[in-house]
Amino acid sequence: GQQVMQIPQYQHVQEGEDFTTYCNSSTTLSNIQWYKQRPGGHPVFLIQLVKSGEVKKQKRLTFQFGEAKKNSSLHITATQTTDVGTYFCAGGDDYKLSFGAGTTVTVRA
Amino acid sequence: DTAVSQTPKYLVTQMGNDKSIKCEQNLGHDTMYWYKQDSKKFLKIMFSYNNKELIINETVPNRFSPKSPDKAHLNLHINSLELGDSAVYFCASSYTVGGAQETQYFGPGTRLLVL
Repeated sequence: GQQVMQIPQYQHVQEGEDFTTYCNSSTTLSNIQWYKQRPGGHPVFLIQLVKSGEVKKQKRLTFQFGEAKKNSSLHITATQTTDVGTYFCAGGDDYKLSFGAGTTVTVRA
Repeated sequence: DTAVSQTPKYLVTQMGNDKSIKCEQNLGHDTMYWYKQDSKKFLKIMFSYNNKELIINETVPNRFSPKSPDKAHLNLHINSLELGDSAVYFCASSYTVGGAQETQYFGPGTRLLVL
């Protein structure tokens, strides 16, 4: 079955630095979605990518969908304390979204 | 207005008890889900209903029984609770268009602790 792998599991970042989290699927995806879960909260939708090679930006966040539609990345520039949380990618196929294990981000001020 | 709501928010119970968690969405979505999130934050899909029909039933003990009385509600009943059932249970909903799932909206979660 479809599996979505996400790395790294943890990311400790100095405030102001950049970081990237990566997502890889064992199969071709119809779409990829990214969610953010703040500590103690619930996952909240960030963005959806559908097209091969698609790149979308949300302020300091850049999302990319691979050419083969099997991988994706989220790059955050100039990390702020508000970026703390767990970022999940989720690969869409048929009636199921398969979530990656998440990257939990902590920020050193 | 709350989009996806769950009750209760917290649930502390003894091993062996039976409990239910309720979920309601007012977004008009046709698909609803139950996820289990363990202490390592891994989100595991348990069940999914599309227009009240069960479409995803992952490898979940049969002590867990979902029920969807209508498109806006998806409840989860758990029999004979075990210590390993302690987790956060999230309900979610979405549209499903042409077989592809659109954005999922999550409820606030139910934090279940089995003693």
